[in-house]
Amino acid sequence: EDQVTQSPEALRLQEGESSSLNCSYTVSGLRGLFWYRQDPGKGPEFLFTLYSAGEEKEKERLKATLTKKESFLHITAPKPEDSATYLCAVRVDSSYKLIFGSGTRLLVRP
Amino acid sequence: DAGITQSPRHKVTETGTPVTLRCHQTENHRYMYWYRQDPGHGLRLIHYSYGVKDTDKGEVSDGYSVSRSKTEDFLLTLESATSSQTSVYFCAIKGDSLNTEAFFGQGTRLTVV
Repeated sequence: EDQVTQSPEALRLQEGESSSLNCSYTVSGLRGLFWYRQDPGKGPEFLFTLYSAGEEKEKERLKATLTKKESFLHITAPKPEDSATYLCAVRVDSSYKLIFGSGTRLLVRP
Repeated sequence: DAGITQSPRHKVTETGTPVTLRCHQTENHRYMYWYRQDPGHGLRLIHYSYGVKDTDKGEVSDGYSVSRSKTEDFLLTLESATSSQTSVYFCAIKGDSLNTEAFFGQGTRLTVV
């Protein structure tokens, strides 16, 4: 069974304290890994897509990386406005379905 | 913002009543999805559509049905609402290419009392 697991469930950081979020997956055939950000009361907002091991994408303070078993979302010198829930999803084989993890709730304190 | 509108945004209904949620898009995308989001479970796929009148089940489809008679509209129906269907429902759309991301609507908060 295809599965996506995110850790930690929640993370509290001080402003400027860098850290990483993990998304591990066991799937039959990865065709894409997606990171989303979700603010309270809103729909998920797309951040990155990664397709192959070794690939990296960056956007402002965020950097996503991918290996054959997991993806990391690195947050460098976070600010309070980076506080949100970060969701990881995978697409497998030729399906158009996205399978999501449970998310990591990030709180960045000033 | 991707052109997705969900309606209603909030709804309270009684157990046993039928409920229909609507997702409307202006992007002419082929793929549309309905997810529910509950604490501790993340987003779980209910149903999805890959074209007009073409739909398929997701992992939590029991108690739900969908219809897509036009490209722009994807309806989710709870035939007889139960308290376990209290949740936040999200619609998503995706373009034709395999290598494109999905965009989400703002969600519908449904409470079944």
